[in-house]
This record gives sequence, C-alpha cells and structure tokens, in this order.
Amino acid sequence: DTGVSQDPRHKITKRGQNVTFRCDPISEHNRLYWYRQTLGQGPEFLTYFQNEAQLEKSRLLSDRFSAERPKGSFSTLEIQRTEQGDSAMYLCASSFSSLYEQYFGPGTRLTVT
Amino acid sequence: GESVGLHLPTLSVQEGDNSIINCAYSNSASDYFIWYKQESGKGPQFIIDIRSNMDKRQGQRVTVLLNKTVKHLSLQIAATQPGDSAVYFCAENSGGGADGLTFGKGTHLIIQP
Repeated sequence: DTGVSQDPRHKITKRGQNVTFRCDPISEHNRLYWYRQTLGQGPEFLTYFQNEAQLEKSRLLSDRFSAERPKGSFSTLEIQRTEQGDSAMYLCASSFSSLYEQYFGPGTRLTVT
Repeated sequence: GESVGLHLPTLSVQEGDNSIINCAYSNSASDYFIWYKQESGKGPQFIIDIRSNMDKRQGQRVTVLLNKTVKHLSLQIAATQPGDSAVYFCAENSGGGADGLTFGKGTHLIIQP
C-alpha cells in the first residue's frame, strides 16, 4: 500500500496522559499536514510541514499540541495532558507541493476518558 | 472571514439518477477548491479539484462547477451508484500563509434503491 498511513488507528487514554500519533506520508510527497475532525464536522487544519520545516503552527489548538517531522519523512503529533475535549479523529495528509491535491490517511481516533 | 459551507446536510437520490451537491464559500481570495468523499470510519478521499482560473472540470462520472461571481461550487455525480453513499466535503485554499485546507461541514449523500 503506497498511501498515507497512520498509527495507531485507535487510541484510548485517560485524561491527563500524553499521547503521540505517527503519520507516514506518500514517499515522494514533501508536504505533510495534520487535521482534527470532530463528529459531524469537516476536518480542521492544525499544522503543516514542507520537508522538515514546520511552516504553520498557529492553528494548533493549544500549547499542549506539538508536531515534528525530524527527517522530512514521517511526522508525529503529540498531545500532552489530554483532556476529554481532545477526543476526535486526527487526520494526516500529504501532497507533492502546495499546488497539488492533499491525500489523507485513515486517521487516528482518540478517545479520552 | 474564511469559511466554506454546504447548503444541505443530507441529500437523498435514487440509484441511477444524477446528484448535485452544492457549496458556498466566503473567501474571495480562495483560488483552489477540492471535493472529498468520506465514508464512515475512513479518511477523506480525493475526488476532483479545480483552480480559480477555471469554471468547470470533469472527471470520471463527476463534474465540478465553479462560479466565482457568487462564490459557489458544485459537484455533479452522474448515474449515482450505491457506492457513492458517503459524506461529501468541499474545501478551499487561499494559497497564502497557512496553506491548510478549510472544510465545510459536509453533505451526507444517501442512495435510495
């Protein structure tokens, strides 16, 4: 499978715990995006990378959210001190550049209890 | 402000009929538009895109129309099939700054046998 992959697919955690999600983009894509989707809503843009550079992070929901893409390939999204309101689907997408369509992964569904 | 919305939350059509899903956007600076299909429990799947220098683009069984005068976007699906049942999102990008997509809330397309 050469599409965008995400791991884990599901994560259940207790409030206050830290969680980390991984995204592997399509191999030749240099742009990688993170989105959050809550039930009944469209995806909400969080941040994006071009290669290893994080070019936009003002949309991250709070300072508890951070993302990295250290070698310009896979990326991680970390949420510290999770809250029940963080429960959502976290989606990753990649594209060849800003001029091309974004392809989404299957998402990681986070449930905070 | 930047927002993309859809006129109908649910659209029910007969199998074999044509479907038209509408979308209104408010950011006149938007220059790139995409339609995604999302099935339950999956990430959004790219359908078709269009740039602001075009007013129509056709794919396999799908056509996207863009009316910049009234800031309206539509997706036409020909000969609707049961596999077309999903939530459809339009998304837009203004090209500057964040480069993330702005999504609407989605239209749930239901295919009646």
